[in-house]
Amino acid sequence: QQQVKQSPQSLIVQKGGISIINCAYENTAFDYFPWYQQFPGKGPALLIAIRPDVSEKKEGRFTISFNKSAKQFSLHIMDSQPGDSATYFCAATSHLSNDYKLSFGAGTTVTVRA
Amino acid sequence: KAGVTQTPRYLIKTRGQQVTLSCSPISGHRSVSWYQQTPGQGLQFLFEYFSETQRNKGNFPGRFSGRQFSNSRSEMNVSTLELGDSALYLCASHPRGASGTDTQYFGPGTRLTVL
Repeated sequence: QQQVKQSPQSLIVQKGGISIINCAYENTAFDYFPWYQQFPGKGPALLIAIRPDVSEKKEGRFTISFNKSAKQFSLHIMDSQPGDSATYFCAATSHLSNDYKLSFGAGTTVTVRA
Repeated sequence: KAGVTQTPRYLIKTRGQQVTLSCSPISGHRSVSWYQQTPGQGLQFLFEYFSETQRNKGNFPGRFSGRQFSNSRSEMNVSTLELGDSALYLCASHPRGASGTDTQYFGPGTRLTVL
């Protein structure tokens, strides 16, 4: 069963707009939540990551919001650019048992229209 | 630093054959994880190797196996290939154990097509 649920499956946004992708998890042992960006023909690349002891993390135009009590986290892409068109994956892992296995969401294909 | 390298980048095999994929992690990284990516199932964890030992295994049949060498390079093997094994196989490199370093770095993947 999928341990991380991601939505929407795809979204289209105008250049300069905001893209929002949501993820939810059940396993309370998860303690590290990365987001990966993947372009066609390439492997996933780490975009930004957060730990549950903070509620928000911002890096440039990318922001993660984290709600520990709701077991939800989201990625906001501000001022979306055509170069942001890619597939985005949320993921989660637990380091409690020295386990580095990443559980991925199903992915969101983002299309930014110029 | 050079990134994660995977060879070959593309493979075409027929059902029943076996295949070996190779991954060289980032220099200094001792952990290598393998993932399968398909349109239907998404990204799924296969296994992780650290210090030449399998540390974790995903829910895949025994036809999928791997190993790691003393230089941290890893190989994965799939025997008796099935059509459903067609996928992008990704290798992720991780320093493991170094404090404050949680990032797993992915290679470009090997695209396997089973006919």
